[in-house]
Amino acid sequence: GAGVSQSPRYKVAKRGQDVALRCDPISGHVSLFWYQQALGQGPEFLTYFQNEAQLDKSGLPSDRFFAERPEGSVSTLKIQRTQQEDSAVYLCASSSGGYNEQFFGPGTRLTVL
Amino acid sequence: DAKTTQPPSMDCAEGRAANLPCNHSTISGNEYVYWYRQIHSQGPQYIIHGLKNNETNEMASLIITEDRKSSTLILPHATLRDTAVYYCIVRVFRMGNQFYFGTGTSLTVIP
Repeated sequence: GAGVSQSPRYKVAKRGQDVALRCDPISGHVSLFWYQQALGQGPEFLTYFQNEAQLDKSGLPSDRFFAERPEGSVSTLKIQRTQQEDSAVYLCASSSGGYNEQFFGPGTRLTVL
Repeated sequence: DAKTTQPPSMDCAEGRAANLPCNHSTISGNEYVYWYRQIHSQGPQYIIHGLKNNETNEMASLIITEDRKSSTLILPHATLRDTAVYYCIVRVFRMGNQFYFGTGTSLTVIP
């Protein structure tokens, strides 16, 4: 497809489980962003990749959160030992870089029980 | 990046123009004004952006005051599908610079 895709769309995890969320950016997009959106709030930045390099991870809330983009295309956000406060929608966005707008995927809704 | 202030909610009659205000009194000279919207259960969608001149595209118009301390997003003929949360963001034009969304304005278009 032409847009950003994310999988799974919905994920339910028991507290303490590890989860992996996938993002397929628009082909050829250099920049990739992850955001976290709590219920009723706007998206909040987690981390940024330029190609395979993770240039900014200042928004990751704890060391349980880890993101990678090994070949500069698909990215995975991993959350270890999930907690209830991790429940949110996780959004991925890509951009062709430079001065262009970000295109967002539909998000993955994570619910931690 | 500068902070923005938006009303939490607004209503608009279907077919009328929707005018969504945004204050960004601390904006600096190299910061652009962006507007995104988020329809329920979808990712944010880009609408328009500008620096100091008014801008128009197929979705909306952006009016920025001369002092750049505020702006208005105009949806000329609102439809029910325009019901969404609208985010006004000011941001330096730089690769890798993330967006700070805030809580936005929840626009409801009324039939």
